[in-house]
Amino acid sequence: AQSVTQLGSHVSVSEGALVLLRCNYSSSVPPYLFWYVQYPNQGLQLLLKYTSAATLVKGINGFEAEFKKSETSFHLTKPSAHMSDAAEYFCAVIGANDYKLSFGAGTTVTVRA
Amino acid sequence: EAGVAQSPRYKIIEKRQSVAFWCNPISGHATLYWYQQILGQGPKLLIQFQNNGVVDDSQLPKDRFSAERLKGVDSTLKIQPAKLEDSAVYLCASSLDTAGITDTQYFGPGTRLTVL
Repeated sequence: AQSVTQLGSHVSVSEGALVLLRCNYSSSVPPYLFWYVQYPNQGLQLLLKYTSAATLVKGINGFEAEFKKSETSFHLTKPSAHMSDAAEYFCAVIGANDYKLSFGAGTTVTVRA
Repeated sequence: EAGVAQSPRYKIIEKRQSVAFWCNPISGHATLYWYQQILGQGPKLLIQFQNNGVVDDSQLPKDRFSAERLKGVDSTLKIQPAKLEDSAVYLCASSLDTAGITDTQYFGPGTRLTVL
């Protein structure tokens, strides 16, 4: 079965600072990788997805993620954090032989003024 | 475009009682999913429907959980009898099913279940 590991359950950043959320996956090749965001009391919203095209994927709200096969990583970044980025972020994977979307445990982001 | 609708948003029950959740997917979406999200964890797929047929229910605890999507549109998820460990948020999602497994899943706001 495919799985993802999100390093760090909580990340705190200052407004305007870089946001970096780490995700490593274990999967047979090729994996399909996703980042979702969940605001309080809301459902998950897709930020971006990697489906074996360009390795640098740009998403909504200024987020992007880079697929690095050699490192089995799909880290999410945003150059400058905004207060509205405070939320929980989930990395997820679908493997080539397992068609289920498997989520990591999530990383909660807080943004300090 | 209306999103995925779920009701109720919150439910509190005693253990051994039964409960049902309702989901109405985005219009025209063929695939519907139910996920369980326990506090501090990522969502876990319980069951996936394509139209009114079950695609995957391998992680559904069938001794107490059941789900149906009779007309290929809305769906209900039932728990009978509930246990304390069923306390979680139950998320419904739907997808259009044009790009296969990489289709974007659109999530509803969830139903937060507390079992006392």
